[in-house]
Amino acid sequence: KAGVTQTPRYLIKTRGQQVTLSCSPISGHRSVSWYQQTPGQGLQFLFEYFSETQRNKGNFPGRFSGRQFSNSRSEMNVSTLELGDSALYLCASSKGVGTEAFFGQGTRLTVV
Amino acid sequence: QQQVKQSPQSLIVQKGGISIINCAYENTAFDYFPWYQQFPGKGPALLIAIRPDVSEKKEGRFTISFNKSAKQFSLHIMDSQPGDSATYFCAAKAMGYGQNFVFGPGTRLSVLP
Repeated sequence: KAGVTQTPRYLIKTRGQQVTLSCSPISGHRSVSWYQQTPGQGLQFLFEYFSETQRNKGNFPGRFSGRQFSNSRSEMNVSTLELGDSALYLCASSKGVGTEAFFGQGTRLTVV
Repeated sequence: QQQVKQSPQSLIVQKGGISIINCAYENTAFDYFPWYQQFPGKGPALLIAIRPDVSEKKEGRFTISFNKSAKQFSLHIMDSQPGDSATYFCAAKAMGYGQNFVFGPGTRLSVLP
């Protein structure tokens, strides 16, 4: 059974640009959550989608947004990139509420 | 109140020894407590998880001990191996909050051969 797939694995962007990251969850999983991981702040929840609807949102500015498609694949977008957005962005998939969450390998975003 | 505290920050154990990592929380609405293992360059991998209705759960060499009254839980790694060297995160999730996990800051474990 394939795991959670995130693309691309690495990205280098310039300050002020925007970026889109993609996540394909495990087959049959309908919940996709996004997390930001940095050395200083650790793992922080960005948002969660379930059946194409945003169900929860963390404490991040509106520059961070996401969406989920009918096949459960999800994308997150960061606009007007700042140097502080450099991080490992992780996607986790779950069958539904209260079930185990499985993470992908992440997308390493570097903003220069 | 949403925080999960984790200690120690780093841990060095000899091969064959027991590694113990502790976590504490304040939010009594938390009802699911997983532990994740992360190797450099990889995403976190689910190790083991527990719910508050049990005090202990064991899977292979990994055991979670849970103390609901103290709002503390810990991970024990028995017979620690060099391959266990990784960063370990405890996490917690509250009922009604979807899959919004609150993570501890992590413990870097080094198992010496």
